[in-house]
Amino acid sequence: DAGVTQSPTHLIKTRGQHVTLRCSPISGHKSVSWYQQVLGQGPQFIFQYYEKEERGRGNFPDRFSARQFPNYSSELNVNALLLGDSALYLCASSLWAGGSYEQYFGPGTRLTVT
Amino acid sequence: LAKTTQPISMDSYEGQEVNITCSHNNIATNDYITWYQQFPSQGPRFIIQGYKTKVTNEVASLFIPADRKSSTLSLPRVSLSDTAVYYCLAHPDNNNDMRFGAGTRLTVKP
Repeated sequence: DAGVTQSPTHLIKTRGQHVTLRCSPISGHKSVSWYQQVLGQGPQFIFQYYEKEERGRGNFPDRFSARQFPNYSSELNVNALLLGDSALYLCASSLWAGGSYEQYFGPGTRLTVT
Repeated sequence: LAKTTQPISMDSYEGQEVNITCSHNNIATNDYITWYQQFPSQGPRFIIQGYKTKVTNEVASLFIPADRKSSTLSLPRVSLSDTAVYYCLAHPDNNNDMRFGAGTRLTVKP
């Protein structure tokens, strides 16, 4: 079975632009979470979606938004990019939304803002 | 949300057992304890999860004392491929806001 897939793998954007990152969860998984990982730090929670509804949001500005589609895939959108948005963006899926369910992470999208 | 504290780094040698202890003094009653492993340029990988006492799977054991204020991840007979960053998380059951700290960078030497 395919794992969590993310696209694109790498992306270079200019300050002020917007970006859309995509995630396809493992087949049958209904929960998708997004994380930002800056070099040298642990992943930071951005959003969780379950059954197309937002279940949680981390401490990120409104420039960050996301949605989940009927097929449970998800998009993360970031507007008005800042240099500090340069990071590895990770998507994780799980069967359900509960914390006792294992999260499976994708390989991430490396975003560089210049 | 419970804050976790782990050693920044640890060294070990191939074939040894490695124990990484995590402190979570303000863990809530309904929090689970989960450990992840991360290699460079990859997403974290689930290792093990527990609520209390001891949990064992094919790759690790997790020991949680009765007060649940700490937990210890035990990796038996490590190999060079176990060199990675290990994260301890204490999080509620709704899977909301999984807070990764800086993790423990384990280096296994030949």
